[in-house]
Amino acid sequence: QVRLVESGGGVVKPGKSLRLSCAASGFTFGTSAMHWVRQAPGKGLEWLAVISNDAREKYYADSVKGRFTVSRDNFRNTLFLQMNSLRIEDSGVYYCAKGMTVMVITTFDDWGQGTELTVSS
Amino acid sequence: IVMTQSPATLSVSPGERVTLSCRSSRSVSNKLAWYQQKPGQPPRLLIYDVSTRVRGIPARFSGSGSGTEFTLTISSLQSEDFAVYYCQQYNNWPPNLTFGGGTKVEIK
Repeated sequence: QVRLVESGGGVVKPGKSLRLSCAASGFTFGTSAMHWVRQAPGKGLEWLAVISNDAREKYYADSVKGRFTVSRDNFRNTLFLQMNSLRIEDSGVYYCAKGMTVMVITTFDDWGQGTELTVSS
Repeated sequence: IVMTQSPATLSVSPGERVTLSCRSSRSVSNKLAWYQQKPGQPPRLLIYDVSTRVRGIPARFSGSGSGTEFTLTISSLQSEDFAVYYCQQYNNWPPNLTFGGGTKVEIK
């Protein structure tokens, strides 16, 4: 079955950088758009970024545009999120999610368990 | 597109019928999904394209609506259904796949 395992979260100071990873298995990774979604403590869901199956298209929420970069390695079945200039309000659980179709505009039919990021001085 | 869910919290007894609402600031056509999230777990997709149930989701869950007004109905609430429910639109370009703020269904 589909398995998505995020890693790379932790505690960092404001202004620092961090890279999250999401290891995928159980499906043909190279045929799915992939997304990052986060959830601040006690809050709702916020979509952050999507990358097309072939990595040619990347789109971001305004809240992270210019600071976060999504990428993927289809040979290693891994999704990444490079996060720079981190802010306190970036704290939360970060989920990778599999797009239901190859389209970048789609819903998410599988989610990882999430990795937690805390940005604090 | 801004998604607004109501109510924020719903206190319900097991066996009752539950109706959750989701409104979009402009039409999302039929590109509307519902997720269920339990504490400490990732969201789980229940329904997509307004009314299509994901395989394995019980028939007591149903979705309806069009344009800007959508509803998730749970016909007879079971104990395992107490959770937070989110709607999400996936219709705008460039992609900005917004979620509603969620409705918490709690035990009355």
